[in-house]
Amino acid sequence: AQKITQTQPGMFVQEKEAVTLDCTYDTSDPSYGLFWYKQPSSGEMIFLIYQGSYDQQNATEGRYSLNFQKARKSANLVISASQLGDSAMYFCAIAYSGAGSYQLTFGKGTKLSVIP
Amino acid sequence: EPEVTQTPSHQVTQMGQEVILRCVPISNHLYFYWYRQILGQKVEFLVSFYNNEISEKSEIFDDQFSVERPDGSNFTLKIRSTKLEDSAMYFCASSDPPPTGELFFGEGSRLTVL
Repeated sequence: AQKITQTQPGMFVQEKEAVTLDCTYDTSDPSYGLFWYKQPSSGEMIFLIYQGSYDQQNATEGRYSLNFQKARKSANLVISASQLGDSAMYFCAIAYSGAGSYQLTFGKGTKLSVIP
Repeated sequence: EPEVTQTPSHQVTQMGQEVILRCVPISNHLYFYWYRQILGQKVEFLVSFYNNEISEKSEIFDDQFSVERPDGSNFTLKIRSTKLEDSAMYFCASSDPPPTGELFFGEGSRLTVL
């Protein structure tokens, strides 16, 4: 079984500052993928970034980067230069990538509020 | 940019009625999914679909639920005899096979059962 823990129910960040959203995971699978999604108040789930367990480098996508520490089983999301539009719920998820499909297990999410 | 589209965006139904939620996955993706999110809770996996059959399903996905790919573009979730606790946001998603890492969700269909 896989598990995701997001310990920060809510976070505040000043506009233009960087923020780190924590995610720790537990899995016995040797091959897995870690995902981050953004859910604005409108409800859609927006894919942000992906990290494979065998990827040597931390994933980056524009202002998003994933601080992957495999030994610590953590996959924190770093958002640089926060914008007001970054205010949303952020979900971390894990999936076994040895199967034919992605059965994602999600965390409870972190609500990020960007302050002007 | 390719996207997953879902209809309807919101459906209200009476308890006991049947509901069909529709999705058009990204055209070159091979795996299709349904997830749901009860209000205020985390997103939960329901089912994955590949090559015209279910590849994985969760405990939630019981006989009340079924999925179908009726033609080359649509992917549907049917919920029979809806219950109050079926009220949720239902997300369709699609992906390439692992480990490409791109799993994209649609905007969701909000189901309200009265």
